[in-house]
Amino acid sequence: AQSVTQPDIHITVSEGASLELRCNYSYGATPYLFWYVQSPGQGLQLLLKYFSGDTLVQGIKGFEAEFKRSQSSFNLRKPSVHWSDAAEYFCAVGSTGGGNKLTFGTGTQLKVEL
Amino acid sequence: DAGVIQSPRHEVTEMGQEVTLRCKPISGHDYLFWYRQTMMRGLELLIYFNNNVPIDDSGMPEDRFSAKMPNASFSTLKIQPSEPRDSAVYFCASSLAGGLYTDTQYFGPGTRLTVL
Repeated sequence: AQSVTQPDIHITVSEGASLELRCNYSYGATPYLFWYVQSPGQGLQLLLKYFSGDTLVQGIKGFEAEFKRSQSSFNLRKPSVHWSDAAEYFCAVGSTGGGNKLTFGTGTQLKVEL
Repeated sequence: DAGVIQSPRHEVTEMGQEVTLRCKPISGHDYLFWYRQTMMRGLELLIYFNNNVPIDDSGMPEDRFSAKMPNASFSTLKIQPSEPRDSAVYFCASSLAGGLYTDTQYFGPGTRLTVL
């Protein structure tokens, strides 16, 4: 069965610093991978997704993620964090056959210090 | 577009009562998903529909939970009877065609359910 691991429950960074959120997946075939962001009291919003092709994916709000098959990872990055980026971030893997399920990681809570 | 609409946003009820959560997907979307989010279990898919038909309900925790989609613009998730362990945030999401390659799931703001 597919699974996603986000090893960091909480991360704190200073505004303007770079950010990397880790995501590891377990899936037998080429995965469909997603990063979502959830602001307090809000639903989830898609940041970016990877299906195939270029392993470096650009998303909204200045985020990017890199798919590394050898490491089973899909880490999210941002060169310079803004205070408004404080939120919870979820990595997810989608099934490629027989359904449209997303399996989510447990999330990483990002705090931004001013 | 108004996005996915869920109601109520907050629900507080007592154990044993029936709870009905409502969702209006984005117009034209063919797929509708119900998720539950808790601190202990994270975000879990409960059930999803394609063209109003339930496709996979393997995530529904037990018989107390039921979901319906009587038409393309409305779905309900019902819990009867409710229990304190059902307390969670319930999200509804919809997507245009359900194909992950081309379509994104758009989430509603969620319903925060508290069962006392």
